[in-house]
Amino acid sequence: GAGVSQSPSNKVTEKGKDVELRCDPISGHTALYWYRQSLGQGLEFLIYFQGNSAPDKSGLPSDRFSAERTGGSVSTLTIQRTQQEDSAVYLCASSLAFETGELFFGEGSRLTVL
Amino acid sequence: AQSVTQPDIHITVSEGASLELRCNYSYGATPYLFWYVQSPGQGLQLLLKYFSGDTLVQGIKGFEAEFKRSQSSFNLRKPSVHWSDAAEYFCAVGGSGNTGKLIFGQGTTLQVKP
Repeated sequence: GAGVSQSPSNKVTEKGKDVELRCDPISGHTALYWYRQSLGQGLEFLIYFQGNSAPDKSGLPSDRFSAERTGGSVSTLTIQRTQQEDSAVYLCASSLAFETGELFFGEGSRLTVL
Repeated sequence: AQSVTQPDIHITVSEGASLELRCNYSYGATPYLFWYVQSPGQGLQLLLKYFSGDTLVQGIKGFEAEFKRSQSSFNLRKPSVHWSDAAEYFCAVGGSGNTGKLIFGQGTTLQVKP
């Protein structure tokens, strides 16, 4: 596609359930990032993937959060045993290379944990 | 600690008036600075970036920003605001080695009066 695609756009789940959020980056972009946007916390870096290198997971808030990127393209962010504080918009971004300085963001997946 | 501060949460300006959005940063290394805009229902879009060189940088949509190292600031300006500029604006800082792992400010919401 022309831009970064994320799904689902909205997800409502019950506390304790697992959720998966998907990101399809721009074709050819080697770097992929996950950010979280929540009230009171603003935009927070979660994780990034660059080519075949080990991902930088330094922003993941707990071990309930994990992400993978298959075949250097699509990425899935998984949140296990969701908590109410996980409610946020999860943004995915990609860039041509991690030094270009321009991230292309998707519209996000809004997660609501009841 | 590394941080970005946007002192103004909300700003309202009249259409045609000039605009300045403030951004101050704290970063231990040479900062790479960015301004992103988020319009309702859309992903974040890069307005402009500063890596090095001329401290006055031009961006898209008629925006410019000036890097002032002595003041640790990177303020965004536009000479004449249009109604379509109403959006949320984010200042961000990163470093060399990974300019996509960004620290964002809390954002400034711009309202434009007709």
